[in-house]
Amino acid sequence: NIMMTQSPSSLAVSAGEKVTMSCKSSQSVLYSSNQKNYLAWYQQKPGQSPKLLIYWASTRESGVPDRFTGSGSGTDFTLTISSVQAEDLAVYYCHQYLSSRTFGGGTKLEIK
Amino acid sequence: EVKLEESGGGLVQPGGSMKLSCVASGFTFSNYWMNWVRQSPEKGLEWVAEIRLKSNNYATHYAESVKGRFTISRDDSKSSVYLQMNNLRAEDTGIYYCTRGFPFDYWGQGTTLTVSS
Repeated sequence: NIMMTQSPSSLAVSAGEKVTMSCKSSQSVLYSSNQKNYLAWYQQKPGQSPKLLIYWASTRESGVPDRFTGSGSGTDFTLTISSVQAEDLAVYYCHQYLSSRTFGGGTKLEIK
Repeated sequence: EVKLEESGGGLVQPGGSMKLSCVASGFTFSNYWMNWVRQSPEKGLEWVAEIRLKSNNYATHYAESVKGRFTISRDDSKSSVYLQMNNLRAEDTGIYYCTRGFPFDYWGQGTTLTVSS
């Protein structure tokens, strides 16, 4: 199985600040036949189900604010929130769907 | 509006069985792969099972941790997907989510399974 490692496990920032969080896979999730990275990001707010934010590593799901940006390729990926809002309080998970399906352990975002 | 509504969770003893159901609405169910994903404090998010389309002969795939014990199925006429769980273990405890697609673009609210004596 491909293992997904997220860092940091938690971070606290003030509203308006920029945030970056990392996701690393134990094997590449780039599929050579179509050059797509099989990597998604989800947001789980307290008491809610996860919500898809980003897929194919950098494609924003419909309705997701453009302050959320996914980047990276191969084994190293980043989710950036350009200007954090209070409503972004959540745990963020990365997920690979190239080989079986596995999730990272999550990054908990707290607002100071 | 896309909706996924799970049911069937509860308390079961180790070694017991349980069947979860998920009813979908707001989209053409037969056009989408469907999955079950579970979440627990100990293991985090864990994909459990997937079922593909009629055109894929309803192919199924399972996490190693549940292979041989769990069975996913679907009834396109009822827009429903099911998870039959046998020989349940304490480590199967968690919230079970029904999810749509590849990757998982919609999630239900989840149903809680507790395996305990």
